Amino acid sequence: DTGVSQDPRHKITKRGQNVTFRCDPISEHNRLYWYRQTLGQGPEFLTYFQNEAQLEKSRLLSDRFSAERPKGSFSTLEIQRTEQGDSAMYLCASSLSGTGSGYTFGSGTRLTVV
Amino acid sequence: KNEVEQSPQNLTAQEGEFITINCSYSVGISALHWLQQHPGGGIVSLFMLSSGKKKHGRLIATINIQEKHSSLHITASHPRDSAVYICAVRSNTDKLIFGTGTRLQVFP
Repeated sequence: DTGVSQDPRHKITKRGQNVTFRCDPISEHNRLYWYRQTLGQGPEFLTYFQNEAQLEKSRLLSDRFSAERPKGSFSTLEIQRTEQGDSAMYLCASSLSGTGSGYTFGSGTRLTVV
Repeated sequence: KNEVEQSPQNLTAQEGEFITINCSYSVGISALHWLQQHPGGGIVSLFMLSSGKKKHGRLIATINIQEKHSSLHITASHPRDSAVYICAVRSNTDKLIFGTGTRLQVFP
């Protein structure tokens, strides 16, 4: 297993365009998380899945954001009608449910909206 | 007030110095993570703690559950330790609540 993979690493898009990011977690991990990190800040929680079920969504996740994990494996995060304020690093992480398990992060997707 | 507070926000040190970064939290947790983030964004988990103390090489992490406080220590610091160190607490649903990070620069 190569860890948590995120694609693309970088994305530059024009305001108003839609973008989609992908996260492939560690295969045995049933929990998958999306976080957003803006410059100089710590990451903030967006949403998480246990298997294919989306169990929690942050108020940060406006109706322009949607996340899916259709088969309980990889996940996608789509942002519609991007705004400059969406520019950030989008981090994915996975874990196996239970407090004793580790947490593994992907390298992130850096989104720049111009 | 943030649920997870780190201090200091920025830290510079000379190579070889002993470094301490502090983290206080105000919520109930199942565990606390210390993470390292290099320029470019990738995050590496250094420690996950629910009690006591852990050591890995030159890094030591401690946690006091009663006082809701944790510290990360780096002994014999080196320029390659320069990074952002982030404290994050793990809720009962496993999601993480992050501090804003401590930017460490170690000069030769």
